[in-house]
Amino acid sequence: SQTIHQWPATLVQPVGSPLSLECTVEGTSNPNLYWYRQAAGRGLQLLFYSVGIGQISSEVPQNLSASRPQDRQFILSSKKLLLSDSGFYLCASWGGSEKLFFGSGTQLSVL
Amino acid sequence: QKEVEQNSGPLSVPEGAIASLNCTYSDRGSQSFFWYRQYSGKSPELIMSIYSNGDKEDGRFTAQLNKASQYVSLLIRDSQPSDSATYLCAVNMRETSYDKVIFGPGTSLSVIP
Repeated sequence: SQTIHQWPATLVQPVGSPLSLECTVEGTSNPNLYWYRQAAGRGLQLLFYSVGIGQISSEVPQNLSASRPQDRQFILSSKKLLLSDSGFYLCASWGGSEKLFFGSGTQLSVL
Repeated sequence: QKEVEQNSGPLSVPEGAIASLNCTYSDRGSQSFFWYRQYSGKSPELIMSIYSNGDKEDGRFTAQLNKASQYVSLLIRDSQPSDSATYLCAVNMRETSYDKVIFGPGTSLSVIP
């Protein structure tokens, strides 16, 4: 079964600072990878998806970007954080089981 | 805009009762459907998947799918306080090149001892 590693678990950043969240996947090859964000009390919003190395698609225009430098590595970045970037960020993987599994998430607070 | 809708709740049921959670989706071509449970501050956990019309049972959980009505439901029998969580309905609205999983806003369930 696949395992999705996400870190850090919590992060407090000032407005205008950069961001880098990393996600790595074990136990599956060539997965589709996703970044979701969950604002407080809200549902999951799909931010980015990737079907392979270097292939990134954005679902919503925003202050964030994503990269996939290796098959099992997915990175979410920002050059300058906004207050509205606060939320619970989740990396997810869709592998051979035809199901979507999540990492443990990063709670980001932008102050 | 492809959407997934759920009863916003909160839904409160007494311990031992049946909890019924409902979900509708907009994309008629969707083929796979999921229910996730999410405890506060934790990531969603997959509890059921369903792909064909009808019922699918797994322990105390039963998922029901009606593609003609674009409707998915989750029944939790003999509800326990540990079932208190937010339940997310998710639909794979498959795009040309990838599996695009869209989530509903979730229904908060509280099981009262």
